[in-house]
Amino acid sequence: AQSVTQLDSHVSVSEGTPVLLRCNYSSSYSPSLFWYVQHPNKGLQLLLKYTSAATLVKGINGFEAEFKKSETSFHLTKPSAHMSDAAEYFCVVSFLRGFQKLVFGTGTRLLVSP
Amino acid sequence: EPEVTQTPSHQVTQMGQEVILRCVPISNHLYFYWYRQILGQKVEFLVSFYNNEISEKSEIFDDQFSVERPDGSNFTLKIRSTKLEDSAMYFCASSESAGESYEQYFGPGTRLTVT
Repeated sequence: AQSVTQLDSHVSVSEGTPVLLRCNYSSSYSPSLFWYVQHPNKGLQLLLKYTSAATLVKGINGFEAEFKKSETSFHLTKPSAHMSDAAEYFCVVSFLRGFQKLVFGTGTRLLVSP
Repeated sequence: EPEVTQTPSHQVTQMGQEVILRCVPISNHLYFYWYRQILGQKVEFLVSFYNNEISEKSEIFDDQFSVERPDGSNFTLKIRSTKLEDSAMYFCASSESAGESYEQYFGPGTRLTVT
């Protein structure tokens, strides 16, 4: 079965320092993986996706994630946090069943302090 | 940029009452979805809808739930007789097509509180 585990429920960083949000996946075959972000009172927005092309995926707002099959990980990183990055981040795995069925992690709340 | 909208943003209802959550997907999208997130838990898939039919539903989506596309723009989720455990954030999503290269666009959610 497809699943994702987000290892941290909350991550706190200072503005200008690096961000690391951790995600491990479980999949019986080659997965598609995503990171979504949710700002307060906004919908879930796609940050980036991995679909078996390059293992290092670049997304919006300076975020990137690296697919590591040997570690079954898909961690999200950003070199320098900005106050506007404060939000809830969801790691998601999908599998095709005639449509793309998304399976969400529990989410990581990123807090950014000045 | 086109976006998915949902109304209302917050709905409070009494146990046993019917509620209808409304969504307006992006206009050229053909696939529609409902997800829900109980407070403190994961976002869970409820149902997918294509060509005026349910294409898949989860075990959560029992006979109390139904979906409908009553006109060319709205996509609704109805809960016939709400229970306390239906309290959750409900997200609508839509996609242009079904393949892995087609992103699902999410609305801001409706927070349903059942008292």
